[in-house]
Amino acid sequence: AQSVAQPEDQVNVAEGNPLTVKCTYSVSGNPYLFWYVQYPNRGLQFLLKYITGDNLVKGSYGFEAEFNKSQTSFHLKKPSALVSDSALYFCAVRDMGTGANSKLTFGKGITLSVRP
Amino acid sequence: DAGVIQSPRHEVTEMGQEVTLRCKPISGHNSLFWYRQTMMRGLELLIYFNNNVPIDDSGMPEDRFSAKMPNASFSTLKIQPSEPRDSAVYFCASTWGSGSPYEQYFGPGTRLTVT
Repeated sequence: AQSVAQPEDQVNVAEGNPLTVKCTYSVSGNPYLFWYVQYPNRGLQFLLKYITGDNLVKGSYGFEAEFNKSQTSFHLKKPSALVSDSALYFCAVRDMGTGANSKLTFGKGITLSVRP
Repeated sequence: DAGVIQSPRHEVTEMGQEVTLRCKPISGHNSLFWYRQTMMRGLELLIYFNNNVPIDDSGMPEDRFSAKMPNASFSTLKIQPSEPRDSAVYFCASTWGSGSPYEQYFGPGTRLTVT
C-alpha cells in the first residue's frame, strides 16, 4: 500500500521569508512524487515532480522540493514567499513498481498562509 | 489546449434527483480520474479509467454512484438518487497512462449542492 502524510494543517510565514511545506510518504518500492497547488475555487495545478535522478527538483513559481530517500520525505520549499503563494498544497505519491494501472495517492493538504 | 473541461461548474439539486457530471479530458490523454473533495474527507479518488476501461472503482461510495467513459473524449459521473451528503466539489483529471510518471491535469471542478 502507498500513503502520504502531511503532518501540518497550516503553515504561516511572512512575505519574503523562506517557506517549507512538509511531506512524508510510504511505498513498497521506489516512488514517483508530486506536488500540486490549489487556489480557492480552482482545480489542482501541478507544481513539480520527482521521478529519478537529482534529489532537488525545481518547479513552477520558484518552488523546489528535495527528495530524501532515507527519511522518506519530499518537502516543498521556496526561498522567498509571496502573498500570492497562499493556497492549499497537496503532496502525492505513486509506487513506481505497481504496474501500468495504478493510482496516485494524495495527502490531506496543507494550507499555506503568507502574511504581508 | 483548453485543458480538462467539466460541466456544469455549479449544480444545485434537490434530494432524490438524478445528477450527471460531465468531463472532457485533454486530447491524447488515455487515463481519466474522478475525485471528490470535501472539507471533512479531503480529496478522494472515486474511480479511474485507462483506455476507456474502468480500472478501479473501489472509491465509489455506493451503488447510487456510477461512471462511464463511452469514448476517449468524454466521461460522465452520475448520482441517482442524490442525497445532501453528496454535496462536494467533483474533479475530473486526465493524464497519459495511469501508471506513468506523468502528472495529472485537473479540471476546474463541479460544485454540487444537494438540498
